[in-house]
Amino acid sequence: GDSVTQMEGPVTLSEEAFLTINCTYTATGYPSLFWYVQYPGEGLQLLLKATKADDKGSNKGFEATYRKETTSFHLEKGSVQVSDSAVYFCALTGGFKTIFGAGTRLFVKA
Amino acid sequence: DAGVIQSPRHEVTEMGQEVTLRCKPISGHDYLFWYRQTMMRGLELLIYFNNNVPIDDSGMPEDRFSAKMPNASFSTLKIQPSEPRDSAVYFCASSLDQGAEAFFGQGTRLTVV
Repeated sequence: GDSVTQMEGPVTLSEEAFLTINCTYTATGYPSLFWYVQYPGEGLQLLLKATKADDKGSNKGFEATYRKETTSFHLEKGSVQVSDSAVYFCALTGGFKTIFGAGTRLFVKA
Repeated sequence: DAGVIQSPRHEVTEMGQEVTLRCKPISGHDYLFWYRQTMMRGLELLIYFNNNVPIDDSGMPEDRFSAKMPNASFSTLKIQPSEPRDSAVYFCASSLDQGAEAFFGQGTRLTVV
């Protein structure tokens, strides 16, 4: 079945460091890919998405490119801030439901 | 729209009691999902509905769990009887269409003592 694998956390970075969170997927067909973010005490909210191969999703300085050849959708940000501390979930939707990765917790130190 | 609304935000109950969690999806969204989040198991899909009809309940852990969607603006997740291992954060989410982004509520933190 469809699945999402993302790098284990926690990831701890200093402010202004470069961020990469790896995500790979297994799916039949052509899924849409998403990154969601969860701040403490809140539900998940969409960060960015890409619906077809080579699409780049971007939002709030975060980017991810849909790579069909490597079945990947890695999340990147050039300069993280303390306010980016949260849990990040990679997800795919290939049909009626969304499959989430396990989540990667990010801590950003001032 | 106010987004997906869940109630209560927090619930503490004793083992053996019935617990009912409530969700109001975003108006016009045809899909509704119930998820459970724990440290050990992450985010698990329990059940989802399309146009108020349950489509896939394979994630419901046991017969103690049941979910209903009597109309397009309301859904419940019931646990009867509750057990300490049911303690988790339960999220409701809705989406406009298949393949579309899911909008999450703020969750209900359930503690069964």
